[in-house]
Amino acid sequence: EAQVTQNPRYLITVTGKKLTVTCSQNMNHEYMSWYRQDPGLGLRQIYYSMNVEVTDKGDVPEGYKVSRKEKRNFPLILESPSPNQTSLYFCASGSNSPLHFGNGTRLTVT
Amino acid sequence: AQSVTQLGSHVSVSEGALVLLRCNYSSSVPPYLFWYVQYPNQGLQLLLKYTTGATLVKGINGFEAEFKKSETSFHLTKPSAHMSDAAEYFCAVSDSLYGGSQGNLIFGKGTKLSVKP
Repeated sequence: EAQVTQNPRYLITVTGKKLTVTCSQNMNHEYMSWYRQDPGLGLRQIYYSMNVEVTDKGDVPEGYKVSRKEKRNFPLILESPSPNQTSLYFCASGSNSPLHFGNGTRLTVT
Repeated sequence: AQSVTQLGSHVSVSEGALVLLRCNYSSSVPPYLFWYVQYPNQGLQLLLKYTTGATLVKGINGFEAEFKKSETSFHLTKPSAHMSDAAEYFCAVSDSLYGGSQGNLIFGKGTKLSVKP
């Protein structure tokens, strides 16, 4: 089954404790992206990757890092999380087709 | 630059009534337009897309949308609402099918649809 898998689904952490949200797709897509969703703001792009070893900033990259060492994986890294990064995060992938989205990761930073 | 405006953050209809969710876009190049639906505690699911050709596009679950270039609109409609249609709906624009030459699919802020029995 074609899918984008994010882990974990829920995460509660404290300010400053590094964390990684994983994203994996099994569709051999070149393009992958991370979004955050906040009430009243819709989805905003954090980072995207056009292919392996090619990443670029989206609209709200501050406080986040990504890497694309393999085609299937695109982890989102928060080196020092802060409460304003409490949000619902979505990973997506695509390749000459509309984006496929993961089921989301709800992150709470206290 | 591209942008999307969804009119109405909340829309409420009665079961069986017409659903109309409004979306206007801004794009300097011919746009690709999308509607996504998000059910509670789930990710986004593609409802329908406009790329080129026929301006009236049909999607899943009985939804359709019409691309009107002169009005820069891509409103989503369904003739008869069902309780299961209650969800949040996002309109999005891009200059490509999957993410744009700038790597971005621009989303509207979403419209929550409530369906009353």
